[in-house]
Amino acid sequence: DTGVSQDPRHKITKRGQNVTFRCDPISEHNRLYWYRQTLGQGPEFLTYFQNEAQLEKSRLLSDRFSAERPKGSFSTLEIQRTEQGDSAMYLCASSLGGTLQETQYFGPGTRLLVL
Amino acid sequence: SQQGEEDPQALSIQEGENATMNCSYKTSINNLQWYRQNSGRGLVHLILIRSNEREKHSGRLRVTLDTSKKSSSLLITASRAADTASYFCATDTIRGGGADGLTFGKGTHLIIQP
Repeated sequence: DTGVSQDPRHKITKRGQNVTFRCDPISEHNRLYWYRQTLGQGPEFLTYFQNEAQLEKSRLLSDRFSAERPKGSFSTLEIQRTEQGDSAMYLCASSLGGTLQETQYFGPGTRLLVL
Repeated sequence: SQQGEEDPQALSIQEGENATMNCSYKTSINNLQWYRQNSGRGLVHLILIRSNEREKHSGRLRVTLDTSKKSSSLLITASRAADTASYFCATDTIRGGGADGLTFGKGTHLIIQP
């Protein structure tokens, strides 16, 4: 399977704990995106990487959230001191980048539940 | 904030009928994409239409774009039970610095009755 993969698929944690999610993009894709989706809503953009550089962050990305893409391949999204409001589906997407290559391909998501 | 607004929020039709969903957005765009999401799963890309295009087809899908009205429509012809899903439009807005994150609407939940 050469699609976008995410791990874990599900995570249950207690409030105040830290969690880390991983995303593996399609191998030749330069751009990687993180989104958050709550029930009944569309995905909301969090941040995006061009290779290893983090080029944009949404105001939704509070100080408790940090994302990395150290070698321009896989990415991690860490949430520190989780809160119940962080419960959501976290989606990763990747694209080849550049004109005519804008289509973003999404992974299956990581569903987070904060108790 | 969410730029796109899909209409209707929910749609139930009989198998074999056509389904039309609409999307409106607020700011100038580079392109508009439609995605499908089955319950609790990731999004599947359906079609991308650029701001200089007016209509695009892919199999049973037909997408139109009217940039003067800032609106798009997705038509699914000869619907099947497997088309039951939520459908989202997403815009790639014109901002400084090139490609940015997509802005999604709340989606249209489509139910195909067998």
